[in-house]
Amino acid sequence: DSGVTQTPKHLITATGQRVTLRCSPRSGDLSVYWYQQSLDQGLQFLIQYYNGEERAKGNILERFSAQQFPDLHSELNLSSLELGDSALYFCASSVTGQLGEQFFGPGTRLTVL
Amino acid sequence: QKEVEQDPGPLSVPEGAIVSLNCTYSNSAFQYFMWYRQYSRKGPELLMYTYSSGNKEDGRFTAQVDKSSKYISLFIRDSQPSDSATYLCAMTGSGGSYIPTFGRGTSLIVHP
Repeated sequence: DSGVTQTPKHLITATGQRVTLRCSPRSGDLSVYWYQQSLDQGLQFLIQYYNGEERAKGNILERFSAQQFPDLHSELNLSSLELGDSALYFCASSVTGQLGEQFFGPGTRLTVL
Repeated sequence: QKEVEQDPGPLSVPEGAIVSLNCTYSNSAFQYFMWYRQYSRKGPELLMYTYSSGNKEDGRFTAQVDKSSKYISLFIRDSQPSDSATYLCAMTGSGGSYIPTFGRGTSLIVHP
């Protein structure tokens, strides 16, 4: 158990809908990362937050947004969902957001029908 | 060409074999190299972390980095069925960015 929690574990929804994925980092970790993992694209970095502020952005679609709250938990919002958004979404956390080990959560499996 | 290339496998070996997993990369600015293990339906778990070229050993695992060839390897000695998982290489440190670029992962099956 990495200490990173993600909810829900599974999410099934329809095209056009909006969902929110939640992540709680390990105790003491200030940085949160979001990744998307699909069979054809592998693990893709979406966005990083550090102590409530956006630190880095990857290949995140405009339909997706995220935020990190004062208690350091983070939410990833996915809207106007398309079939291609079906994937595993992982959250990871690290102490500083600089070099160092990232601890991954168990992921949320999103299925868009 | 992808920045990080990794053969997806699957790689099937008998228990006790020495396993060699590899990645090649194109960005010569990468400085930090990692190997993650991902069991089915779980999140990736960091196995090894090395800086620049050279070897690093941790129990049955050895990570090698050859920056001149842009080639990294992970060796697993005395492989066990519990090593069956997908192994992802990752690298970072280019241009001051510490966001890892991941390979697609190699699926390893160790059969008894």
